[in-house]
Amino acid sequence: DSGVTQTPKHLITATGQRVTLRCSPRSGDLSVYWYQQSLDQGLQFLIQYYNGEERAKGNILERFSAQQFPDLHSELNLSSLELGDSALYFCASSPGRGGANTIYFGEGSWLTVV
Amino acid sequence: GQQLNQSPQSMFIQEGEDVSMNCTSSSIFNTWLWYKQEPGEGPVLLIALYKAGELTSNGRLTAQFGITRKDSFLNISASIPSDVGIYFCAGSRTGTASKLTFGTGTRLQVTL
Repeated sequence: DSGVTQTPKHLITATGQRVTLRCSPRSGDLSVYWYQQSLDQGLQFLIQYYNGEERAKGNILERFSAQQFPDLHSELNLSSLELGDSALYFCASSPGRGGANTIYFGEGSWLTVV
Repeated sequence: GQQLNQSPQSMFIQEGEDVSMNCTSSSIFNTWLWYKQEPGEGPVLLIALYKAGELTSNGRLTAQFGITRKDSFLNISASIPSDVGIYFCAGSRTGTASKLTFGTGTRLQVTL
């Protein structure tokens, strides 16, 4: 158990819909990261928040957005969903601004778009 | 997005055998990491490497940071059934998590 909690674990939704994935970081961690893992693209960095502020942006689509709340939990919002958005979405957290060896991954949220 | 090339893609080995896998990049990295992902779990960091030529062990696992800084290798000695999973390499030029590029993964199956 990494200490990073993600909900829901599985989600099935229809094209065009909107979903929200939730992440609670490890106790004391200030950074939250979102990654997408798909069969054809592998594990891709989407976005990082540090203490409530966006710190780094990766390959995140405009239809996707995220935020980190004052209690440090984070939400990833995916809208106008397409079949290709089906993937495993991981949240990770780290204590500081983001040393590569300091991140811990959650168990992921499986999103299936039908 | 970019991915690093890992080989082999999958391996079926017998318990007790040694395993070798590697990861190559077209870019130079300053940090190489190796992760293991088991079904239903997120990636777990196994070994981190920070210097060209560095050789680091974690139990039966040994990883090396290639001299060219464009590759890395992971060896598992005397494999056991719990070694089953997908092994990912990841590289970073800056040492930051947001700049990690992940490999395509090597799926390891261990038979008794």
